[in-house]
Amino acid sequence: DPKIIQKPKYLVAVTGSEKILICEQYLGHNAMYWYRQSAKKPLEFMFSYSYQKLMDNQTASSRFQPQSSKKNHLDLQITALKPDDSATYFCASSPGQVNQDTQYFGPGTRLLVL
Amino acid sequence: TQTVSQSDAHVTVFEGDSVELRCNYSYGGSIYLSWYIQHHGHGLQFLLKYYSGNPVVQGVNGFEAEFSKSDSSFHLRKASVHWSDSAVYFCAVSAPQGGRALIFGTGTTVSVSP
Repeated sequence: DPKIIQKPKYLVAVTGSEKILICEQYLGHNAMYWYRQSAKKPLEFMFSYSYQKLMDNQTASSRFQPQSSKKNHLDLQITALKPDDSATYFCASSPGQVNQDTQYFGPGTRLLVL
Repeated sequence: TQTVSQSDAHVTVFEGDSVELRCNYSYGGSIYLSWYIQHHGHGLQFLLKYYSGNPVVQGVNGFEAEFSKSDSSFHLRKASVHWSDSAVYFCAVSAPQGGRALIFGTGTTVSVSP
């Protein structure tokens, strides 16, 4: 059974719209993350959360807002979508918030903005 | 600023051959190094990690990596590849001063021919 669930698997959106990417982990981890992978750039770190609190934010745009309603949930809301936002978005989790903890990745949500 | 360099974009090997994938990093302080594998259309799977102790680290499926502080490297090796090893391999680094972000290299695509 998958331990990190990302929904939906594929998403098509129009420019200017808003979408929410869902991530749930069933590993009992306390830290969660979002990364982005696009054709133009290597895997990029976006956010980290620990115990539902934002720890690191390396996303310049405020259009990207993580939302944590439960400890094992970290959704990603993206507003005013642009074609450049087209990418695969990966959620990850780790047992704790220390650097030596291994991060485990979900299967990704592939977003296409037209 | 931490950087990770994977000099080989694409490596082609025959089944049963050995393979070495190169990873060099640029950072002066304490760091944690990892390798991940990504099969086409899937998320990243953790292979192995180094943060202290024995510089040779054993991972899953016969992979191992060797840390060298003098060379600033963390090369991944496998003695005998299988067709299922065809994938993209990512080297990643994290450091306490950089938060919890994993900084990824651009990846090396490995193609295993029968």
